[in-house]
Amino acid sequence: AQSVTQLGSHVSVSEGALVLLRCNYSSSVPPYLFWYVQYPNQGLQLLLKYTSAATLVKGINGFEAEFKKSETSFHLTKPSAHMSDAAEYFCAVSVDTGRRALTFGSGTRLQVQP
Amino acid sequence: GAVVSQHPSRVICKSGTSVKIECRSLDFQATTMFWYRQFPKQSLMLMATSNEGSKATYEQGVEKDKFLINHASLTLSTLTVTSAHPEDSSFYICSARDDREAGNTIYFGEGSWLTVV
Repeated sequence: AQSVTQLGSHVSVSEGALVLLRCNYSSSVPPYLFWYVQYPNQGLQLLLKYTSAATLVKGINGFEAEFKKSETSFHLTKPSAHMSDAAEYFCAVSVDTGRRALTFGSGTRLQVQP
Repeated sequence: GAVVSQHPSRVICKSGTSVKIECRSLDFQATTMFWYRQFPKQSLMLMATSNEGSKATYEQGVEKDKFLINHASLTLSTLTVTSAHPEDSSFYICSARDDREAGNTIYFGEGSWLTVV
């Protein structure tokens, strides 16, 4: 079975600062990896996904993530935080066998200080 | 991008009644849809996998007779919470896999807040 660990339930950065949200995964087969963002009382929006093509994945809103197999990591970054980036971020993993459902991490709440 | 619509967004029902939540993929076909439950300030927990034309697959600990899932077409899955109790109050989110896309991309609905009083 696959799993995801998100280090840090809360991350606070200043506006304009680098955003780094950490995600480590565990999977016995090649994984697909995703980052989703959730704004209060809303569903999830796909930010980006890794599907075994390029290891550096660019997503929407200036976010990107790098797949590092040796570190089993898929950390999310953004060079300069905006106030509108404040939200809950979820890392998720799935594999191409079985139900292929997403398994989510516990989430990281990003706060952006003015 | 692909759009998944969920309805209703908020519903309040009396204890003991049933409530149905619909999940539609608006611009793609989805053989497989998923239903998740999310408690406040927590992550999403998979409840069941809904497959068009066949029975849903439920996760361990999820009562299939209480959470009825029907996936009658390639664009619609429904979740019916039967004999609802206050502890069923939660945020329910559906998602759908786009049959056209490789890489197992899954799109989410806007979620439905269920409050059982």
